[in-house]
Amino acid sequence: SAVISQKPSRDICQRGTSLTIQCQVDSQVTMMFWYRQQPGQSLTLIATANQGSEATYESGFVIDKFPISRPNLTFSTLTVSNMSPEDSSIYLCSVEGGSNGRGTQYFGPGTRLTVL
Amino acid sequence: TQLLEQSPQFLSIQEGENLTVYCNSSSVFSSLQWYRQEPGEGPVLLVTVVTGGEVKKLKRLTFQFGDARKDSSLHITAAQPGDTGLYLCAGARGNYGQNFVFGPGTRLSVLP
Repeated sequence: SAVISQKPSRDICQRGTSLTIQCQVDSQVTMMFWYRQQPGQSLTLIATANQGSEATYESGFVIDKFPISRPNLTFSTLTVSNMSPEDSSIYLCSVEGGSNGRGTQYFGPGTRLTVL
Repeated sequence: TQLLEQSPQFLSIQEGENLTVYCNSSSVFSSLQWYRQEPGEGPVLLVTVVTGGEVKKLKRLTFQFGDARKDSSLHITAAQPGDTGLYLCAGARGNYGQNFVFGPGTRLSVLP
């Protein structure tokens, strides 16, 4: 399994500002994923971050609001832009692993974002 | 549309009791994972099941994948307070993460 770290672990931000979340993996991985977990809810996939190409966004999420960078095979960033209180969530990055590529995901510890 | 359903949504039991959590779908999955998430942390993988009918045991936890690969169950024997957390099932419909779908979760509280 991969070891994944995220920065910051938590932040409190003002409405209208932006926050960039970093995700670092201890090994090279092809795909990294960004999820949002709203209070008391399950996980919703925001986008898939591919190295060397634009991120692939899920329905309901757009690049202007959640720009993603993937400069190499061990690192990715997610920016939450022009924040509103509705963006208050835990943001999680994950990577895929498991034997034979069988779709097992490993998660970072998450970034808890509160927007005032 | 919620592709994966979990039941119960909330469960509060006494230490030493047994419990079963269910994960159901009308879709077929190539694999299914169970995660436990504690407050302030990311989900931690407990098990991956791949073969229909497969049963995996992890100490006091028993996981079963339905024959048709559409459902799964997690059984905990003699629950302990350390088992408290949010249990999430996730189904993979392909070999890549963008085809993952998560259930809504079962929030378990084990009281001493």
